[in-house]
Amino acid sequence: SQQGEEDPQALSIQEGENATMNCSYKTSINNLQWYRQNSGRGLVHLILIRSNEREKHSGRLRVTLDTSKKSSSLLITASRAADTASYFCATGSGVIQGAQKLVFGQGTRLTINP
Amino acid sequence: GAVVSQHPSRVICKSGTSVKIECRSLDFQATTMFWYRQFPKQSLMLMATSNEGSKATYEQGVEKDKFLINHASLTLSTLTVTSAHPEDSSFYICSAHEGRGSYGYTFGSGTRLTVV
Repeated sequence: SQQGEEDPQALSIQEGENATMNCSYKTSINNLQWYRQNSGRGLVHLILIRSNEREKHSGRLRVTLDTSKKSSSLLITASRAADTASYFCATGSGVIQGAQKLVFGQGTRLTINP
Repeated sequence: GAVVSQHPSRVICKSGTSVKIECRSLDFQATTMFWYRQFPKQSLMLMATSNEGSKATYEQGVEKDKFLINHASLTLSTLTVTSAHPEDSSFYICSAHEGRGSYGYTFGSGTRLTVV
C-alpha cells in the first residue's frame, strides 16, 4: 500500500523560481528518500535524510524532515528547465530478504517554464 | 556509480504471448532486486522482491504465475509477463539493492510494455 502522500500533485513555475514539494507518511521510518523521474525513464536518487536528521542539503536541493508531523519537504532553489520531472518521496516499509522495501508517494509533477 | 541496465526499453506484444524483461547490474552484485509497476502519472507499486538463488516474494494481489521472476545470478534478474493481456500494459521498473545497508538502490531505466 502507498504510504506517502505528496502535494502538490502538479507544480508549474518559472525558471529561476524555487519549487517546494511536500510528502507525508503514516508509519515510523528509519529514513526518507527523494527520487526524480524524467518522463518514461527510471528513478534517480536525489537525497536521503535519516530519521534523526532535520535538514539536509545537496547542491540546489534542501530536504527537511519533521518526524513529529510525519512529513518532509523538498526544496529546489533557482529552478532550471532541466529540473522538469516527477519527484517522489519514498520511505522504508520493513525489511525483506535483507533489503529495505521502499514505498513511494504519489509524486509531484514539476514543470519549469523557460 | 552503480548502473542497472534494463531492456527492452519498449516492447509491443500480442495478447496471449509472453514477454521477458531483463535487468542486469553492470558493476556490482545485486543481492536483492525489486520489481515495480507504474501506471501513467501514478506512483510505483512494488510487485515482488527477489534474492539471488531463492524464490521471489510477491506483494499481495500480484499473481505469481503471471509475473514470473527469476534471479539466477547476482547480476541478472528477469521478469516474464506470461499470457499478456491489454490490462498488463504498463511501465515496469527494476531496482537493485547492493546489500550494504539501509541504502544502496539503483533503478533501471524502465520498460514500456504495450499489449495489443
